[in-house]
Amino acid sequence: NAGVTQTPKFRVLKTGQSMTLLCAQDMNHEYMYWYRQDPGMGLRLIHYSVGEGTTAKGEVPDGYNVSRLKKQNFLLGLESAAPSQTSVYFCASSSPGETGELFFGEGSRLTVL
Amino acid sequence: KQEVTQIPAALSVPEGENLVLNCSFTDSAIYNLQWFRQDPGKGLTSLLLIQSSQREQTSGRLNASLDKSSGRSTLYIAASQPGDSATYLCAGKMNYGGSQGNLIFGKGTKLSVKP
Repeated sequence: NAGVTQTPKFRVLKTGQSMTLLCAQDMNHEYMYWYRQDPGMGLRLIHYSVGEGTTAKGEVPDGYNVSRLKKQNFLLGLESAAPSQTSVYFCASSSPGETGELFFGEGSRLTVL
Repeated sequence: KQEVTQIPAALSVPEGENLVLNCSFTDSAIYNLQWFRQDPGKGLTSLLLIQSSQREQTSGRLNASLDKSSGRSTLYIAASQPGDSATYLCAGKMNYGGSQGNLIFGKGTKLSVKP
C-alpha cells in the first residue's frame, strides 16, 4: 500500500553541491510530476513526465534536471544547489485523462546553506 | 495562462458549522478539478476529483461542485469538526497543446475549526 514514495525525506546541502531526489510509485501511473512548495508561492511545477523516457518542463525548471528511465521512477537532480532551492519538494503521479486522480508523496525537505 | 484562485486565504469557524470553500479558474479548458487536504508538514491527500463532464462529487461530509462556464468550484463541508482543520487546495488539470501534463494549483485556504 505504498503509493508514492520519496527519498530522502530531509537533506541539508551546501551551495554548489549536487544531489538527486528519488520518487517511486507502485500504481502503474503514466504521469509523474515534481513540484516545489514555498510559503506564499503555493505549489509550482518543476518538471513532469507523461511516460517512460519522456520529460517536459514545468513552470520553474531552471536549475533542475529530471529523468524517467523506468515507468515507476522519476528522479529530480540538482547539479549545483543554490539557497533559492531551499524548499519542500513533492512528487506526484496520476493516470492520464479526466479520471486521472493525482497522488502525492510525503515530501522532501531540502535546505541549501 | 491559467490562474487558480482560492478565497479566503484563511477561515476560522466554530465546530458544527457548515462551510464553503471557493476555487475560481480563468481558463475553462480543464480535464478535471481536484480538491486536496494538506496537514502541516505533510503531503497532499486527495479528497475529491470532478471530471470536466461532471457537475459534482460527494464523499461523506464533503461535496464538491464544478461550473466550467463560470470558472468556479466549491467544496462544501457539512457539520465541521476540529479534525477538519487543515489547508485545502484545489487544482485544475489542464489540456494545453494536447498534453495533459500540467495541473495548476491554488494557494489554498487554511481552515481552523474551533471546538
